[in-house]
Amino acid sequence: ELVLTQSPATLSLSPGERATLSCRASQSVRNYLAWYQQKPGQAPRLLIYDASKRATGIPARFSGSGSGTDFTLTISSLEPEDFAVYYCQQRDNWLTFGGGTRVEIK
Amino acid sequence: QVHLQESGPGLVKPSQTLSLTCTVSGGSVSSGDFYWSWIRQHPGKGLEWIGYIHYNGNTYYNPSLRSRLTISIDTSNNHFSLKLTSVTAADTALYFCARGIIADMLHFDLWGRGTLVTVSS
Repeated sequence: ELVLTQSPATLSLSPGERATLSCRASQSVRNYLAWYQQKPGQAPRLLIYDASKRATGIPARFSGSGSGTDFTLTISSLEPEDFAVYYCQQRDNWLTFGGGTRVEIK
Repeated sequence: QVHLQESGPGLVKPSQTLSLTCTVSGGSVSSGDFYWSWIRQHPGKGLEWIGYIHYNGNTYYNPSLRSRLTISIDTSNNHFSLKLTSVTAADTALYFCARGIIADMLHFDLWGRGTLVTVSS
């Protein structure tokens, strides 16, 4: 099974700061990686697909990069509503999600 | 606007069958552009893909659940369903249905709100 490892598990930042989240795959997934945001009591929301394409309605402060085994989700300047859990997902080898990174208010 | 809504029992006894339905409104499950999907989240944990189905009946299951899992689709009533047999406490989770876009990279652009299923006697 292809494993996605997200780091760090928790990121403590202040509003306005830059957030950098990592997702590493145990083998290449080419650029077939998506990112989701989940807030408490809500379903996940698609942010990024194909590693770097923003989903409809997603603000420009969210960006994705990477290919192969190493991927990054960057939030350029955290807004209060961005504090949430973020998951990566691949579909190159069956389908798996990463374990998540929690972005919390410092 | 397309909406997905999960429905089904919130409590299932061990060894019995968990059955859920996802009703799609504002769109059609007969579109060839999507995989209709089930994903679950154990309490306080991450996301686990269960499986998905195309309107033509093709199914794709998580290998770890395949032996207990059936996903079906009803194009007449515009819904799709999940059956998971021989459940245990490990199947207690929040179950989401979601729409998967068929592209180079399958990704889920619409989700239901989720329904909590507890396995307990």
